[in-house]
Amino acid sequence: AQSVTQPDIHITVSEGASLELRCNYSYGATPYLFWYVQSPGQGLQLLLKYFSGDTLVQGIKGFEAEFKRSQSSFNLRKPSVHWSDAAEYFCAVDGRGDYKLSFGAGTTVTVRA
Amino acid sequence: EAGVAQSPRYKIIEKRQSVAFWCNPISGHATLYWYQQILGQGPKLLIQFQNNGVVDDSQLPKDRFSAERLKGVDSTLKIQPAKLEDSAVYLCASSPRGQGGETQYFGPGTRLLVL
Repeated sequence: AQSVTQPDIHITVSEGASLELRCNYSYGATPYLFWYVQSPGQGLQLLLKYFSGDTLVQGIKGFEAEFKRSQSSFNLRKPSVHWSDAAEYFCAVDGRGDYKLSFGAGTTVTVRA
Repeated sequence: EAGVAQSPRYKIIEKRQSVAFWCNPISGHATLYWYQQILGQGPKLLIQFQNNGVVDDSQLPKDRFSAERLKGVDSTLKIQPAKLEDSAVYLCASSPRGQGGETQYFGPGTRLLVL
């Protein structure tokens, strides 16, 4: 069955430290891959997306993600976290055929001073 | 460019009552989506419209949920009668054409609490 897994429910990171959020998917072919961020009381905002080509994708707010076909992963990273990065992060997959987004359960990021 | 608008932002009702949510997508966007986001979970697609036609409503509980998008612009999602398990955030999103890989733009959501 097709699925999107975010193994970490909650991550706490110190301000200025690096951050990595994991995402694994299970689809028949390489899907379109997305990362969205949701701040409290807000809708989802797109951070970045992968279609094809270069496996390292740059996004907004200093985020990047790397697609690894062999691991069926699309992990999100940021070298130095700011307090404003505290939010919930969702990995999403579009299965290239049904044009529907399937979301992972999300990872909540807490930033400590 | 104005974003996706939703109202109300919050709603508290008792079970078995009815409720309606409104969404106005980004101007010119052909595709409109309604998602349900239960606490601790990712959004789940309820229904997708392409202009004023339904593309996918396979996850919509049709015995109690209904949605329409008259004139292919704004949309209304209704729940009648509501159950306790309907407590969630209802997100509306839109995209230009509904094609694969398109960015979906989300509204702020309506937070529903059913008592």
